[in-house]
Amino acid sequence: DADVTQTPRNRITKTGKRIMLECSQTKGHDRMYWYRQDPGLGLRLIYYSFDVKDINKGEISDGYSVSRQAQAKFSLSLESAIPNQTALYFCATSEIGGDYNEQFFGPGTRLTVL
Amino acid sequence: QKEVEQNSGPLSVPEGAIASLNCTYSDRGSQSFFWYRQYSGKSPELIMFIYSNGDKEDGRFTAQLNKASQYVSLLIRDSQPSDSATYLCAVPSSGTYKYIFGTGTRLKVLA
Repeated sequence: DADVTQTPRNRITKTGKRIMLECSQTKGHDRMYWYRQDPGLGLRLIYYSFDVKDINKGEISDGYSVSRQAQAKFSLSLESAIPNQTALYFCATSEIGGDYNEQFFGPGTRLTVL
Repeated sequence: QKEVEQNSGPLSVPEGAIASLNCTYSDRGSQSFFWYRQYSGKSPELIMFIYSNGDKEDGRFTAQLNKASQYVSLLIRDSQPSDSATYLCAVPSSGTYKYIFGTGTRLKVLA
């Protein structure tokens, strides 16, 4: 079974709709991250969380919100989707402690906003 | 703004050649550096990490770090068509545990 899972894997929605992307992990990691990836722009950080009570904005948080329901679950919401939020979204986790911790990525959610 | 920069490519090399991928970063406080490989439509996966100046080798891959010049590179020896992918450089932002990713270099290995 995959250590980091994302649902849904693909989603097509319309402008103005509320969308939730979910991430679950079985790695036991405290740190969780949400990124979006656009062609030519690399991975950009939306939100990150170091535990259920610690939520931080990344570089492109406008138009997004998150919820850390448990250590293992981190959800990303688009309250009112717009076409320029069409992108590939990745959830990632890493261990706490030390500076040399790799990130483990989920399989991604491809979101299209019409 | 702390940045990580990569040449977007594509970098084309013939099969069996050495591919050289470069990354520069602006945060002098950064201590560790990661290279991820990403196939089209897939998630990034870790190839190498390095935190000491000099070279680190793992199979066909060698990471090179020069903190004074603020660059890190990845060499792929005996390149194979299966190495064709985008390679992302990632640098944890000092003191924050946020990872700053470069835009990636697309590598094409020609059979």
